[in-house]
Amino acid sequence: SQTIHQWPATLVQPVGSPLSLECTVEGTSNPNLYWYRQAAGRGLQLLFYSVGIGQISSEVPQNLSASRPQDRQFILSSKKLLLSDSGFYLCAWGRDINTEAFFGQGTRLTVV
Amino acid sequence: QQQVKQSPQSLIVQKGGISIINCAYENTAFDYFPWYQQFPGKGPALLIAIRPDVSEKKEGRFTISFNKSAKQFSLHIMDSQPGDSATYFCAASIEGSGNTGKLIFGQGTTLQVKP
Repeated sequence: SQTIHQWPATLVQPVGSPLSLECTVEGTSNPNLYWYRQAAGRGLQLLFYSVGIGQISSEVPQNLSASRPQDRQFILSSKKLLLSDSGFYLCAWGRDINTEAFFGQGTRLTVV
Repeated sequence: QQQVKQSPQSLIVQKGGISIINCAYENTAFDYFPWYQQFPGKGPALLIAIRPDVSEKKEGRFTISFNKSAKQFSLHIMDSQPGDSATYFCAASIEGSGNTGKLIFGQGTTLQVKP
């Protein structure tokens, strides 16, 4: 069976510090991978998606970047965090044809 | 045109009652409409989904009603239970090989079922 791992679960970082959130998927190959952000009381906003190694598409301009160094690894990064980067970050995977998305447990990021 | 509008933002229902959440979309190319359930501090999980070739899909106490001409779909939770208290998201996407499977989410509805 397929599983998705996302870590850390919570993170408190000072403004201006770097960020690296990691997501890995097991039990499938060549998945589509997604990073979503959920602000308090709001919906899920798609930040990045990837259909293959090294292929990253950005949905919204922002202070964050994403990379996919391996088939089942997706990384969300920032060189210098802003207060507005605080939120709940969710990694998800899906198959090419069937668009059902499977979400990780999320990372609660607080920038102070 | 990529938006999915969801209402209400919050909902309080008595145990045993019916919870109804509505969503509307503009993009007629959307052909996959899932609903996700999210408990606090957790990632969303797929609850039920529908495609436009049917007008209704039922799984247990959960039913999706789909109105293609009105570009609307809704989630009905029958016999609502306190354990159903969660945030519900509708979403839409375009299926098929070559598509990226991007889900466009509604804003979410926080449901509270009172015992």
